[in-house]
Amino acid sequence: AQSVTQPDIHITVSEGASLELRCNYSYGATPYLFWYVQSPGQGLQLLLKYFSGDTLVQGIKGFEAEFKRSQSSFNLRKPSVHWSDAAEYFCAVGPNAGNNRKLIWGLGTSLAVNP
Amino acid sequence: ETGVTQTPRHLVMGMTNKKSLKCEQHLGHNAMYWYKQSAKKPLELMFVYSLEERVENNSVPSRFSPECPNSSHLFLHLHTLQPEDSALYLCASSQGPGTRGINEQFFGPGTRLTVL
Repeated sequence: AQSVTQPDIHITVSEGASLELRCNYSYGATPYLFWYVQSPGQGLQLLLKYFSGDTLVQGIKGFEAEFKRSQSSFNLRKPSVHWSDAAEYFCAVGPNAGNNRKLIWGLGTSLAVNP
Repeated sequence: ETGVTQTPRHLVMGMTNKKSLKCEQHLGHNAMYWYKQSAKKPLELMFVYSLEERVENNSVPSRFSPECPNSSHLFLHLHTLQPEDSALYLCASSQGPGTRGINEQFFGPGTRLTVL
């Protein structure tokens, strides 16, 4: 079955600390991978995506993610967290070919940032 | 306006009311989506329209009725809803997918719906 697991429901970090949010997937073939962020009362904003090539991808707001095929993981990282990074983070995967437009979503990780 | 806009941002309705949610995308995309976001559940894809044709309907109850008059506008007509339909309804748009797989989706801010 296709699924995305974000093992951490809630994470709290101090401002300036490093951050890693985990994402594991089960998909059959190697999918396209996405990280989105949702601030309170807002829609989802794309942080970064992986389609192919270099397995370390850079995104907006200083975020990066690394695709590890052997571990079926796509973890999101940031070296120094800012208070404005407090939000909900969602990992999603989708097909790398064909006309299927359906993304498989994780449940999200809620990030709180202590001053 | 830029990106994907949704109106209204908040809606409270009774179970016997009829209302509509509106979405407009200003990105020139050819596909539009309705999602339902509920607490402690993955994002649920409700409907997908590609070039104004509905291409996906994920077993959504008939009390939700989508309409896509053109590639820039998407509506979700609501009637005789239930309290469990209270949620954040998100609209998204994308280009493609073409032959190389799924493209990123761009989301609107959502409509917070409360059914009394």
